[in-house]
Parts: sequence; C-alpha cells; structure tokens
Amino acid sequence: EILMTQSPATLSVSPGETVTLSCRASQTIRNNVAWYQQKPGQAPRLVIHGASTRATGIPARFRGSGSGTEFTLTISSLQSDDFAVYYCQQYNKWTYTFGQGTRLDIK
Amino acid sequence: VQLVESGGGLVQPGGSLRLSCLASGFSFSKYSLSWVRQAPGQRPQYVAGIITNTSRTLYAESVKGRFTISRDNAKNTLYLQMNSLTTEDTAVYYCALSDFWGQGTLVAVSP
Repeated sequence: EILMTQSPATLSVSPGETVTLSCRASQTIRNNVAWYQQKPGQAPRLVIHGASTRATGIPARFRGSGSGTEFTLTISSLQSDDFAVYYCQQYNKWTYTFGQGTRLDIK
Repeated sequence: VQLVESGGGLVQPGGSLRLSCLASGFSFSKYSLSWVRQAPGQRPQYVAGIITNTSRTLYAESVKGRFTISRDNAKNTLYLQMNSLTTEDTAVYYCALSDFWGQGTLVAVSP
C-alpha cells in the first residue's frame, strides 16, 4: 500500500496570508495526486487533480505542484472560506490512499 | 451531477447492510465508481471500486470477503453489500466519482 504523509498537521494562519501544505508518497506515483478540501459535516471536495490541475470552480489562488514523491498545495491570499482540512490522495493504483490531513485554522 | 447515498443505519456486530447510491446528471454506465468511508476524525479510506469497461471490482484488504460492490446501470445505482460488520466499519460511507462525492450515509456498528 502506498502511504501518504502530510505536513504539518495543523497550520494557524491569518486571512490574506499564503500557506504551503506538503505531502510525501512512500513510493513514486508520477503526478497521480489529488488534493481535497473538507469542512465540518461536509463531504470532501476535489481541489486539485493530476498534481497541478485545478478542479472545476476552484480559484487560481490554489496551486498544486510536484511529481514523483513530493507534492505541495499552495493557497494564496487566504480567505475565510479556505479554512478547512486538506487531504492529499494518491490514485496511482486503483485502491487509492489518503494522507492524514492538514488542518488550516484561523489565527 | 448528483450522487445520493442511502441505506445506512445502526446495526449490531455481525450484521449486514446494503448501501445504495442513486446517480444522476451524467452517463452512469460510462464511469467507474467507488465507495470511500471516513470514520469520525479520521482520514478517508478507500473501500471498494468498480471499473466501468471491465466491471472489474477492487476492494480494500480490510473488507475483502465481507463487502461486495455492484451496479445496476438500468437504475443508475451503485450498491455496497456489507456483511459480517464490526465496530471498525463504523463510518460515513461516500459514493464517489473521480471528481465528485455524494454527501454520504452513516453506518454505525454497535452492540
């Protein structure tokens, strides 16, 4: 099973700031990575797929990058709606796996 | 696109449930679909998937032999038959396309 490790576990930031979330795969997965945003009581929502392609309706403030085993999600000019838990997911294999999540808190 | 799960509930250990996912807004028969679950406070976990062109099915190791995924293209519905349930199966179960998830149905396994 491919393990996905995210860091940090929690980030406390102020609106307007820029943050970078990291995700590392236990083996190379090319660019088969997605990022999901989850708010309390809601289903995860796709933000990025193919490591760097924004999903429909996702603003350009969200930028994904990386390949192989190291991936990042950068969110610029944080807005109040962005504070949530973010999960990375690998889909290199059909039985995909998720990281443990990074929580973005308002400072 | 809509994915609406149903069939969750409270069940005792050893019991069974069948989840359904009614799909609309896309050509159901042309897409691979999955079930993903999320226990309280935990990361999502892949449960099972069905690949459209081959009808091949895939399962997480933790549910192999107990869960069965199936689909009825005429009814635009995805199913998950869950047998021999344990407390470890307690979670919200989501029906998922590659880029969209339903809102989930809660399965609680408790004595």
